[in-house]
Amino acid sequence: AQSVTQPDIHITVSEGASLELRCNYSYGATPYLFWYVQSPGQGLQLLLKYFSGDTLVQGIKGFEAEFKRSQSSFNLRKPSVHWSDAAEYFCAVVSNNNAGNMLTFGGGTRLMVKP
Amino acid sequence: KAGVTQTPRYLIKTRGQQVTLSCSPISGHRSVSWYQQTPGQGLQFLFEYFSETQRNKGNFPGRFSGRQFSNSRSEMNVSTLELGDSALYLCASSLVGGGLTEAFFGQGTRLTVV
Repeated sequence: AQSVTQPDIHITVSEGASLELRCNYSYGATPYLFWYVQSPGQGLQLLLKYFSGDTLVQGIKGFEAEFKRSQSSFNLRKPSVHWSDAAEYFCAVVSNNNAGNMLTFGGGTRLMVKP
Repeated sequence: KAGVTQTPRYLIKTRGQQVTLSCSPISGHRSVSWYQQTPGQGLQFLFEYFSETQRNKGNFPGRFSGRQFSNSRSEMNVSTLELGDSALYLCASSLVGGGLTEAFFGQGTRLTVV
């Protein structure tokens, strides 16, 4: 079955510093990949998605992600972090459980931003 | 346009009781998926409904069920509640579902079983 791994459970960065959140996937074909953000007490908001084409994907709030097939990775980046970016981030892949498609999520990375 | 609305936002139930959660998708969206989020297991897929039919189901016991109405609103029901059912239940609506179009999530229903 397809799976997603986010190796970092917690990350702390200083405001203004750059950010990279790691995501590795397990999937044989070209995956459909997503990054979502969840603020405390809120649902998930889509930051960006990759279906095909250009491997560098731009999203909302200044985020981007790069699909690297050779490394089975889809890391999320932001050049300069703002305090409001503190949240939990989830990488997800469209997977199939023999009954149909669904989103399979990684365990999440909680981002803390130091002033 | 209005987003995905989940009601109620918070629930406290006793073990053995049953509970019904509601999800109103974005207008025009025909797919509604449900997810359970817990600190230990993360986000897990429960089921997806499309045009009033269950199209896919995750690995949850039969105590978890759902349905979708003709207006695409969906409900999920959990019977004979257990302490381990305490979680944030999220629903997501999308045009066609299956991860092929963007999924919009509601704010969730926080269920506490005591």
